[in-house]
Amino acid sequence: DAGVIQSPRHEVTEMGQEVTLRCKPISGHDYLFWYRQTMMRGLELLIYFNNNVPIDDSGMPEDRFSAKMPNASFSTLKIQPSEPRDSAVYFCASSLVIGELFFGEGSRLTVL
Amino acid sequence: AQRVTQPEKLLSVFKGAPVELKCNYSYSGSPELFWYVQYSRQRLQLLLRHISRESIKGFTADLNKGETSFHLKKPFAQEEDSAMYYCALMRPGGGNKLTFGTGTQLKVEL
Repeated sequence: DAGVIQSPRHEVTEMGQEVTLRCKPISGHDYLFWYRQTMMRGLELLIYFNNNVPIDDSGMPEDRFSAKMPNASFSTLKIQPSEPRDSAVYFCASSLVIGELFFGEGSRLTVL
Repeated sequence: AQRVTQPEKLLSVFKGAPVELKCNYSYSGSPELFWYVQYSRQRLQLLLRHISRESIKGFTADLNKGETSFHLKKPFAQEEDSAMYYCALMRPGGGNKLTFGTGTQLKVEL
């Protein structure tokens, strides 16, 4: 198993542009998480899904952020419009056992 | 709301010296605590969880409810222990939601 797969690995965009990050969880895992990592705030949970249903989106910063999980093998995190303060590493993780998360390699976003 | 505090951003020790990575939490109930580790060029991964009471790669962590701490310890640091370490908390009945600390970079020097 290749583990959790995220794309793109790196994204550089200009302020105001739409950004879409993608994630393929480990097959059979029924939880999917989106985290954001910054130097100042560390790892912050943005949203998580269970069986494709959003359970907790209280960490989503504002309406510019949205996440979907149309099926068990794919999720997207969209930022529209993007702002420089959105620059961070975005991690996707999946889980089958409570508390044991498997992380992807992350998508490093730079908004100019 | 629960919070996890890792007071040290960077901890530097010599090889063979004892290591203690500090983690304090604020939560009124009985949470479950975890340590995650990210080695250079590797993915963030689970190192240990307090309910398993295991020693992983020589590391142990004891939950101290009185001091609300979950410090990670190893008696003799090895060069390969150099990594970023995150403490995390999950509250009972909180689904599968982990709250992470800001992390401590451990550097083991020769």
